[in-house]
Amino acid sequence: DIQMTQSPSTLSASVGDRVTITCRASQSISSWLAWYQQKPGKAPKLLIYKASSLESGVPSRFSGSGSGTEFTLTISSLQPDDFATYHCQQYNSYPWTFGQGTKVEIK
Amino acid sequence: EVQLAESGGGLVQPGGSLRLSCAASGFTFSSYWMHWVRQVPGKGLVWVSRINSDGRSTDCADSVKGRFTISRDNAKNTLYLQMNSLRVEDTAVYYCGKDRPGGSVDYWGQGTLVTVSS
Repeated sequence: DIQMTQSPSTLSASVGDRVTITCRASQSISSWLAWYQQKPGKAPKLLIYKASSLESGVPSRFSGSGSGTEFTLTISSLQPDDFATYHCQQYNSYPWTFGQGTKVEIK
Repeated sequence: EVQLAESGGGLVQPGGSLRLSCAASGFTFSSYWMHWVRQVPGKGLVWVSRINSDGRSTDCADSVKGRFTISRDNAKNTLYLQMNSLRVEDTAVYYCGKDRPGGSVDYWGQGTLVTVSS
């Protein structure tokens, strides 16, 4: 199975900050990576697919980059609604696997 | 509007069975692959199983192989997960999800909690 490792596990930031979350795959997954946002008690929400494609309706302050084994999710200017947990997921091969999540907290 | 609504969760003893359902609306259900993903509260997401659009091809995680079966009824726009020989470690919120063609999950249900405990 492909292992996905996110860093950091927790991130403290302020409104307006630029935030970057990293996701590493244990082997190359080309660009078959998605990012999700999840708030407490809610289902995940797709933000980014194919490493850098923005899902319809997602604000443009979210962006994704990377290929192969290293990927990043960037929030250009953190907004109050963005405090949540973010998950990366590879869909290069089954079983699909997720990172352990990164919680973005208010500083 | 795409909507997915899971049901069937609850408390079950170890070794017991449960069938989850996911009612879909707002899209052509029979055209899309579907998935089940689970999450222990406070922990990460774990992919469980997937089924192709006509139901003839399925795949699942090793941790549930031989115990869980995914299926669908395209006439009823409903996805199922039959869970047998349940273990304490199967306790989680189970989400159904619509496959975004090419991969990833673009719509999720609200989840249903399965608790396996004596």
